[in-house]
Amino acid sequence: DAMVIQNPRYQVTQFGKPVTLSCSQTLNHNVMYWYQQKSSQAPKLLFHYYDKDFNNEADTPDNFQSRRPNTSFCFLDIRSPGLGDAAMYLCATSRDDAISYEQYFGPGTRLTVT
Amino acid sequence: GQNIDQPTEMTATEGAIVQINCTYQTSGFNGLFWYQQHAGEAPTFLSYNVLDGLEEKGRFSSFLSRSKGYSYLLLKELQMKDSASYLCAVLDSNYQLIWGAGTKLIIKP
Repeated sequence: DAMVIQNPRYQVTQFGKPVTLSCSQTLNHNVMYWYQQKSSQAPKLLFHYYDKDFNNEADTPDNFQSRRPNTSFCFLDIRSPGLGDAAMYLCATSRDDAISYEQYFGPGTRLTVT
Repeated sequence: GQNIDQPTEMTATEGAIVQINCTYQTSGFNGLFWYQQHAGEAPTFLSYNVLDGLEEKGRFSSFLSRSKGYSYLLLKELQMKDSASYLCAVLDSNYQLIWGAGTKLIIKP
């Protein structure tokens, strides 16, 4: 089945220790998104890619970086995680056409910072 | 600014009907989505409205009034598995999704 996969599902890192979250998709969608979601809050868009065209949200901290080496894969790097970065990180994809704007989500990676 | 408002929490009884409202003020409008999110899981798509009116899909229906900046999600014949958060999201003029904080729906037997 075509899908969005995120690894790992649960990640524990130490304060200040870099961590990388990964996302892959078999939907062949050209748009990919990274969201941060804290408990009982709306998902907060961090970045998105139209193909390789990177779009950074204005209020995304510099501590967060992203890479998309090809259509299928996207990575979220947190250079120096703080306690406030503990959250669920959601990867999503969508088509970039007028047929459907639905975003398809992966299962998420829950990040704990100790 | 852009704003999506929905109630924080609602409680309903198994077998009943519940309506979750959403009001929005956004820069442009290219459609409104409802997503379901179970605790600790990713959001899953429920519905998309771009024209005024009611869209029915099984036990779930979604209504849109663009002139009022208003939508609702109607859930019928509630089941315990419907306990989840329901997120309203609007596609703005830049085709970016503006998300509400979600409505936590609690179903009681």
